[in-house]
Amino acid sequence: KQEVTQIPAALSVPEGENLVLNCSFTDSAIYNLQWFRQDPGKGLTSLLLIQSSQREQTSGRLNASLDKSSGRSTLYIAASQPGDSATYLCAVVVTSGTYKYIFGTGTRLKVLA
Amino acid sequence: GAGVSQTPSNKVTEKGKYVELRCDPISGHTALYWYRQSLGQGPEFLIYFQGTGAADDSGLPNDRFFAVRPEGSVSTLKIQRTERGDSAVYLCASSLMFLAGGPPYNEQFFGPGTRLTVL
Repeated sequence: KQEVTQIPAALSVPEGENLVLNCSFTDSAIYNLQWFRQDPGKGLTSLLLIQSSQREQTSGRLNASLDKSSGRSTLYIAASQPGDSATYLCAVVVTSGTYKYIFGTGTRLKVLA
Repeated sequence: GAGVSQTPSNKVTEKGKYVELRCDPISGHTALYWYRQSLGQGPEFLIYFQGTGAADDSGLPNDRFFAVRPEGSVSTLKIQRTERGDSAVYLCASSLMFLAGGPPYNEQFFGPGTRLTVL
């Protein structure tokens, strides 16, 4: 059974710091992996999607990497801003045919001004 | 274009009542998913529709939960005899699923969710 873990559960950093959020999964047979942002009381905003054949994806100050063999992904946020404060969720897509998402429990990020 | 919409945005009900939650997927998306997100947790899969049929309902917690998608577009999640433990945010997502001639393209687009509170 696929399990997704995110570390740390919460993180507080001063503005301007570069930071790394970690996601690990137990079964390397994934179709792809996606990072989301969730603001309090809101829905999910897609940040980056990495296909299983890819190693990384970049969008602006965000960079996500994927190492299937070790069951790990990292989300790198450069020059963090208070507006980056949110919960970041990692989800892997199983290859069972339904392509359902298995989510981690998230990392709650607070960037202090 | 229009994204996934869900109604109502908030629903407060009493224990034992019946509720229906609606999802309008992106036009043309054949795949539709329901997830449930409890406080402080990531979303958990409930059910997946491909067209009109429920292709995978393995995530439904018990037989009080049921979902339909009669015309392959709008879906309704139905919860009978609600319990306090059903309180959560219910998220719907849709996906194009397949592009002709290529590998499955399955990126899911999520709606804003319905926050269900059972008193």
